[in-house]
Amino acid sequence: GENVEQHPSTLSVQEGDSAVIKCTYSDSASNYFPWYKQELGKRPQLIIDIRSNVGEKKDQRIAVTLNKTAKHFSLHITETQPEDSAVYFCAAGGGTSYGKLTFGQGTILTVHP
Amino acid sequence: GAGVSQSPSNKVTEKGKDVELRCDPISGHTALYWYRQSLGQGLEFLIYFQGNSAPDKSGLPSDRFSAERTGGSVSTLTIQRTQQEDSAVYLCASSFWSNQPQHFGDGTRLSIL
Repeated sequence: GENVEQHPSTLSVQEGDSAVIKCTYSDSASNYFPWYKQELGKRPQLIIDIRSNVGEKKDQRIAVTLNKTAKHFSLHITETQPEDSAVYFCAAGGGTSYGKLTFGQGTILTVHP
Repeated sequence: GAGVSQSPSNKVTEKGKDVELRCDPISGHTALYWYRQSLGQGLEFLIYFQGNSAPDKSGLPSDRFSAERTGGSVSTLTIQRTQQEDSAVYLCASSFWSNQPQHFGDGTRLSIL
């Protein structure tokens, strides 16, 4: 089955800096890669996603890049703000286990004012 | 409804008891997913439904776990003879179709004494 590795496990940045979180996946058939933000005690919220026919997608301060050959994808947050502090999860889906998402272990992002 | 609704929000029960968790997906969403999140961990896939069928139930940890969905809407996850290791937050998500963006509910926090 699919296996998703996420790094780093914790990330601390100053307000205004950029943050990058990286994930690798194992199933070359996976074709859908969402990112979720989860604040303490809250539900995971979808912030951006990308499909395998696209190399990059951007939404305001957030961007995701995908390298199918290397089987890795990354989340980029620019001009970070304290309210960006949360746990971020990457996931992969649509492969041999069509429908389900396999999640990474999460990255705790802390943005210091 | 406006979002995925789960009940109860919290459940405390004694070891050995059976529990039933409920998920009401977003109206019109045909796919429904159950995940489990242990404290400080990522999301672990349990089962997903497309309509009333469960194409993938590979994540169910043991035969004490079962789920059903009737009428293509509400789903229930049942855990029989609960064990302490079943303590976790059980999250439900729904999407318009399989391999489409998944939207999560607030979860049920299950505590086994």
